Amino acid sequence: SSELTQDPAVSVALGQTVRITCQGDSLRSYYASWYQQKPGQAPVVVFFGKDNRPSGIPDRFSGSSSGNTASLTITGAQAEDEADYYCKSRDSSGNHYFFGSGTKVTVL
Amino acid sequence: EVQLVQSGAEVKKPGESLKISCKGSGKNFPNYWIAWVRQMPGKGLEWMGIIYLGDSDVRYSPSFQGQVTISADKSISTAYLQWSSLKASDTAIYYCAREWDFTFDPWGQGTLVTVSS
Repeated sequence: SSELTQDPAVSVALGQTVRITCQGDSLRSYYASWYQQKPGQAPVVVFFGKDNRPSGIPDRFSGSSSGNTASLTITGAQAEDEADYYCKSRDSSGNHYFFGSGTKVTVL
Repeated sequence: EVQLVQSGAEVKKPGESLKISCKGSGKNFPNYWIAWVRQMPGKGLEWMGIIYLGDSDVRYSPSFQGQVTISADKSISTAYLQWSSLKASDTAIYYCAREWDFTFDPWGQGTLVTVSS
């Protein structure tokens, strides 16, 4: 299946922890990658694979996976983390990708 | 460092054709896959397709197969996305991104395409 399900919106108090989840059958076989998109900007990858955080991404961003669910956790959320977050996976051919519907994170 | 620079915003009428570009720079660039992603106004990200700059091997999302054409010119490290007959529903921001390790990074700045009569 090429569907990835994300909660439409979550909120987190400044400095607290928030977990964003992504569910889909493909996640049983492939790791998700996670993208942050702020208004008017192009997406940026914040976590990918089993345990990869691109250089320049704060270590408060972490990822995990279990069964058909991938998660992105922001530990100690900052105001600048307010954005839309998308998960992405691929199908068995390896070259076909699909995105989750996105989660809007609001930092209170 | 790999960078992607996309062509500028376009305003077109329904039925017109269009070709937008994504030029890459950096080491080994022609050996990468380049993906195209659509974002309609106020909506999420949609993967459209991907092309290998080395030999122009293309894979399309079933949702976009037959609706657009993805091509590339290896000699100038540029990927293209084109339409033969635009519709109002093609109004969106189109991003290109380099694919490596099943991740899209970096992304181009985006090209806004507006189709209106």
